[in-house]
Amino acid sequence: QQQVKQSPQSLIVQKGGIPIINCAYENTAFDYFPWYQQFPGKGPALLIAIRPDVSEKKEGRFTISFNKSAKQFSLHIMDSQPGDSATYFCAARLNTDKLIFGTGTRLQVFP
Amino acid sequence: GAGVSQSPSNKVTEKGKDVELRCDPISGHTALYWYRQSLGQGLEFLIYFQGNSAPDKSGLPSDRFSAERTGGSVSTLTIQRTQQEDSAVYLCASSYDGSYGYTFGSGTRLTVV
Repeated sequence: QQQVKQSPQSLIVQKGGIPIINCAYENTAFDYFPWYQQFPGKGPALLIAIRPDVSEKKEGRFTISFNKSAKQFSLHIMDSQPGDSATYFCAARLNTDKLIFGTGTRLQVFP
Repeated sequence: GAGVSQSPSNKVTEKGKDVELRCDPISGHTALYWYRQSLGQGLEFLIYFQGNSAPDKSGLPSDRFSAERTGGSVSTLTIQRTQQEDSAVYLCASSYDGSYGYTFGSGTRLTVV
């Protein structure tokens, strides 16, 4: 019940495309859902986060869509750029407990 | 410092040796976390320190792994009698009080030969 399932494992898009990464969770008590971006040789960095009282959050070209009834949330990257090529992790947490991470999605954006 | 600092950045050790990995969190952050990332894999939780509370050790894979946090600041992750399966990137993160996002360090890449 503590798992967060992430898909796809890898994703290849052309520049300007809209990659979508999906995550699903079981624990309905989770109350914080962040996405992290990781470049090779670096630690993950917080990209955007959402709480379950809203269905969508946008920050620049990044959007989280949240479906509480389906226990799913997704990351959309609008007008993707080669510089967005990285590994993306979703995560979930209950209160101030530790984050439970998904298995990651490796995104490649080709020019 | 401005970020989370981890040392060493790379460590190669012989099977059976003990290793110590260090994490310097952001000043004022009360929560500190250790995760492990194996090649091409996700982030596996190891241990979590929050203020003066007893640490959450539920992710430590065996009794060869231990961690301490001195003075509410620097943390050391110790792996005794290292095995080849311990080879991974060990990531440390800190958070202001556990209710905000984490700031990760760049990790220590451990290779056991």
